[in-house]
Amino acid sequence: EDQVTQSPEALRLQEGESSSLNCSYTVSGLRGLFWYRQDPGKGPEFLFTLYSAGEEKEKERLKATLTKKESFLHITAPKPEDSATYLCAVQAQWGNQFYFGTGTSLTVIP
Amino acid sequence: NAGVMQNPRHLVRRRGQEARLRCSPMKGHSHVYWYRQLPEEGLKFMVYLQKENIIDESGMPKERFSAEFPKEGPSILRIQQVVRGDSAAYFCASSDVRDHTDTQYFGPGTRLTVL
Repeated sequence: EDQVTQSPEALRLQEGESSSLNCSYTVSGLRGLFWYRQDPGKGPEFLFTLYSAGEEKEKERLKATLTKKESFLHITAPKPEDSATYLCAVQAQWGNQFYFGTGTSLTVIP
Repeated sequence: NAGVMQNPRHLVRRRGQEARLRCSPMKGHSHVYWYRQLPEEGLKFMVYLQKENIIDESGMPKERFSAEFPKEGPSILRIQQVVRGDSAAYFCASSDVRDHTDTQYFGPGTRLTVL
């Protein structure tokens, strides 16, 4: 069964303290792995798509990497405005739907 | 370019009533997906539609739930005879198959409360 597990569930960082969020997945052939950011009361906001092991994408303080079993979202020198829930989703090779993890709730303290 | 639009943003219904949730995809997008998000749970896929076609409804409950995406107008998720367990946030996403990225862009959601 296709599954996505994110860890940790919650993470508190001091402003400027870099860290990584993990997304482990099992899927019958990966078509794509997607990272989203979700603020309270809002819809998920697209961040990155990764398609193959070894691929990396960067945007401002965020960098996403992908292996055959997991993806990491690295946050460098975070700011309070980076506080949000970060969601990971995978799409199987022969499917249309996304399988989402339950997210990592990130709080960055000034 | 406007993003995915959903309305209403908040909907309150009493048990047994009907709920209709609307979704207008991004301009140029012809594929719509509906997801449900319960507190402390991840987004769960419900249905995938193209204009006038249901492509995949494997995540839809067998009873009381239906979805459509007509040739003209928004996609509609309809829940008949709502029960308390239907209380959740319902998100719509759209994609453009022409860009070959499969990226789904989400709307702000409709938060359904069943009293």
